[in-house]
Amino acid sequence: SAVISQKPSRDICQRGTSLTIQCQVDSQVTMMFWYRQQPGQSLTLIATANQGSEATYESGFVIDKFPISRPNLTFSTLTVSNMSPEDSSIYLCSVETGQETQYFGPGTRLLVL
Amino acid sequence: QKEVEQNSGPLSVPEGAIASLNCTYSDRGSQSFFWYRQYSGKSPELIMFIYSNGDKEDGRFTAQLNKASQYVSLLIRDSQPSDSATYLCAVRNFGGYQKVTFGIGTKLQVIP
Repeated sequence: SAVISQKPSRDICQRGTSLTIQCQVDSQVTMMFWYRQQPGQSLTLIATANQGSEATYESGFVIDKFPISRPNLTFSTLTVSNMSPEDSSIYLCSVETGQETQYFGPGTRLLVL
Repeated sequence: QKEVEQNSGPLSVPEGAIASLNCTYSDRGSQSFFWYRQYSGKSPELIMFIYSNGDKEDGRFTAQLNKASQYVSLLIRDSQPSDSATYLCAVRNFGGYQKVTFGIGTKLQVIP
């Protein structure tokens, strides 16, 4: 497995602002992902963070709203831009190690007022 | 039709009983199956993965896979109050890199 940290762990933001979430892993990993988990719902994949190239976004998610950086094999950021109350959610970073298994960071709990 | 279906529960079982959690999936090309446990306010934690038809046991946990019926289950023997959590079923398709799709999760309550 891998040790994953996320910052911030929680935040309360105003409508129209942006928040950048950081994800740090204790070892180099090829695959890093960003998920959203809204209350009472399952995990939804936002995008795959690719090292050295643009992220791969899932249907319904766009780069202008959720820009992602992946400068190296241990770090990634997700920005939630121009936030609205509908963006209130838990945002999770995950990494894939051997045997195609994914491990999750502790999550960032975001509330947009 | 949802890609990965689970009963959201809650499923209540008495302490010491066997808890049976079920999951069905729609894509016959699915090859890898995972169970995650998520405590309230925490992130998902991998419990088990299974690739082949049949049973896979790890301590008190047994994962069962039936690809013909597109069905995967998780049995928890000797359930403990500490097992009370939401259990997420996740499925990955075959061929190259395919994303993992998660079910909504089943909330398990173990009653002391």
